[in-house]
Amino acid sequence: NAGVTQTPKFRVLKTGQSMTLLCAQDMNHEYMYWYRQDPGMGLRLIHYSVGEGTTAKGEVPDGYNVSRLKKQNFLLGLESAAPSQTSVYFCASSYVVSGANVLTFGAGSRLTVL
Amino acid sequence: GEDVEQSLFLSVREGDSSVINCTYTDSSSTYLYWYKQEPGAGLQLLTYIFSNMDMKQDQRLTVLLNKKDKHLSLRIADTQTGDSAIYFCAERGSGTYKYIFGTGTRLKVLA
Repeated sequence: NAGVTQTPKFRVLKTGQSMTLLCAQDMNHEYMYWYRQDPGMGLRLIHYSVGEGTTAKGEVPDGYNVSRLKKQNFLLGLESAAPSQTSVYFCASSYVVSGANVLTFGAGSRLTVL
Repeated sequence: GEDVEQSLFLSVREGDSSVINCTYTDSSSTYLYWYKQEPGAGLQLLTYIFSNMDMKQDQRLTVLLNKKDKHLSLRIADTQTGDSAIYFCAERGSGTYKYIFGTGTRLKVLA
């Protein structure tokens, strides 16, 4: 049981390049999320999904796209990377325990855009 | 809009108690959470409290909720060096999948 796995862990891009971050979970969770973490700003929600084939925008969706073709995978794409997208990206999935919706996070993907 | 605020830093001596505070604005929050982030890792759930409770205790952790003032605190008894981490407060409103996270409080435990 690996939990939530993110790949790659580190990536350096040049401005204008594209890339995809992959998130995979083996816990059969319905809900999945992509967050970015920046110093002094906590975690901000980029996009989320409430089930296979569905996605929705979070707080900071501009410049990102997502897909959830399979329940266990949630992909985050950057079509044309910008230096402002330099950040640590966290994927999470969630389950419900005693009514509380609890997030399980991956270890993070550190992206640098030059 | 909704907002969650925390102080950025806290330093305590090993063996003392740590108290990390958080204020939130969304009065419809049904659950409030504390997550811990160790260096180079993702966030891990520490504990959570339902909005109709005012206290929850779990071993060394005590969560206090003051709904009137929209104030949440996390007390760690007998703080150890392994407790050094960033602690995030988060709220989730009723009928939403969206969490609002605070900026995180970096706890440093001095030996």
